[in-house]
Amino acid sequence: QQQVKQSPQSLIVQKGGISIINCAYENTAFDYFPWYQQFPGKGPALLIAIRPDVSEKKEGRFTISFNKSAKQFSLHIMDSQPGDSATYFCAASITGAQKLVFGQGTRLTINP
Amino acid sequence: AAGVIQSPRHLIKEKRETATLKCYPIPRHDTVYWYQQGPGQDPQFLISFYEKMQSDKGSIPDRFSAQQFSDYHSELNMSSLELGDSALYFCASSGGDNTEAFFGQGTRLTVV
Repeated sequence: QQQVKQSPQSLIVQKGGISIINCAYENTAFDYFPWYQQFPGKGPALLIAIRPDVSEKKEGRFTISFNKSAKQFSLHIMDSQPGDSATYFCAASITGAQKLVFGQGTRLTINP
Repeated sequence: AAGVIQSPRHLIKEKRETATLKCYPIPRHDTVYWYQQGPGQDPQFLISFYEKMQSDKGSIPDRFSAQQFSDYHSELNMSSLELGDSALYFCASSGGDNTEAFFGQGTRLTVV
């Protein structure tokens, strides 16, 4: 049973466009929602994270939107660049329990 | 800045052999996590340690064991290896009240 569901599985965006990846969760005890970027053969790298007390967090070209009532959160990448091409994972955890539950991943390709 | 160090980076073992993976967390991080990532899959939580004690356990086979030592490094021991154990194994660490987990580069285990 996938506790965190991520979509789409793959995404192709033109350079300069907006990339949007969505995640939904079931466990209302989750209180920490990070996004990780992973390049082939490398470890996941923390990109940006949000807690349920805010609805949006922006860091540079990356924005997380969080909808607590819908139990959904999304990653927006503005002005997408070829260097953003990677696999993106959303995740969720419960503070104290600490372990991350990952979504299935989205393979993002930015066409030049 | 110091990152999570994993060794070895690559390991080839035969079926039924034993493997030991090592993880050196970021200095002053007291929590270590182990994840297994199969090809095209999301990372799956195996086990975690906080202050040298097991803090959580996921889908870790009985053939696997792990521990965290007094210097906070951790080792994942895998016995009676099976072909299906071939995967990327990631270690992550976090520290104090900070939930952010930072991943190492991973160990690619191939069982032949």
